[in-house]
Amino acid sequence: AQSVAQPEDQVNVAEGNPLTVKCTYSVSGNPYLFWYVQYPNRGLQFLLKYITGDNLVKGSYGFEAEFNKSQTSFHLKKPSALVSDSALYFCAVTAYGSSNTGKLIFGQGTTLQVKP
Amino acid sequence: NAGVTQTPKFRVLKTGQSMTLLCAQDMNHEYMYWYRQDPGMGLRLIHYSVGEGTTAKGEVPDGYNVSRLKKQNFLLGLESAAPSQTSVYFCASSPGLVHSYNEQFFGPGTRLTVL
Repeated sequence: AQSVAQPEDQVNVAEGNPLTVKCTYSVSGNPYLFWYVQYPNRGLQFLLKYITGDNLVKGSYGFEAEFNKSQTSFHLKKPSALVSDSALYFCAVTAYGSSNTGKLIFGQGTTLQVKP
Repeated sequence: NAGVTQTPKFRVLKTGQSMTLLCAQDMNHEYMYWYRQDPGMGLRLIHYSVGEGTTAKGEVPDGYNVSRLKKQNFLLGLESAAPSQTSVYFCASSPGLVHSYNEQFFGPGTRLTVL
């Protein structure tokens, strides 16, 4: 069965400092990994994805994520946090070729709080 | 392009009442999905559709029905609402099976309260 774990309910960071939001996954087959962001009272917005190739993926708003196959992780990172980055972040996974093709499994979400 | 739109934005129901949530997309996407979002539980898939006229159960389908009569629309129905169905409902769409690695596009959500 596919699953995603985001071990931290909340991450607090000071503006200007680097941030990391953690994600680990479990799938049968090759994983396709995604990060989404949700601002208050809004839908989810796509940030970035890993399909294949370079393990470091760059996305919107200066975010990047590193795919680590041996640790089954896909942590979201940003070198310098902004107050406007404060939001709820979701990691999601699907696996091509499995019975779940096209269906995303989401983690429970991590609230990022960036303080001035 | 409007992307993915959802109607209504808010709704309050009494236990036992019925209602239909409408999702529309103008991106000619094959796949459409209905999720519910509850605090601390992320998004859970209710039902999905891989094309016009098709539907399939997701992770939490009980108490819900869906229809995909037109490619651009995906309806979610609650026949007899229960307080446990109080949630925020999101619709999403994506291009289709061949492009299963493509991201899903989400609507703004419907906040439903069942009293």
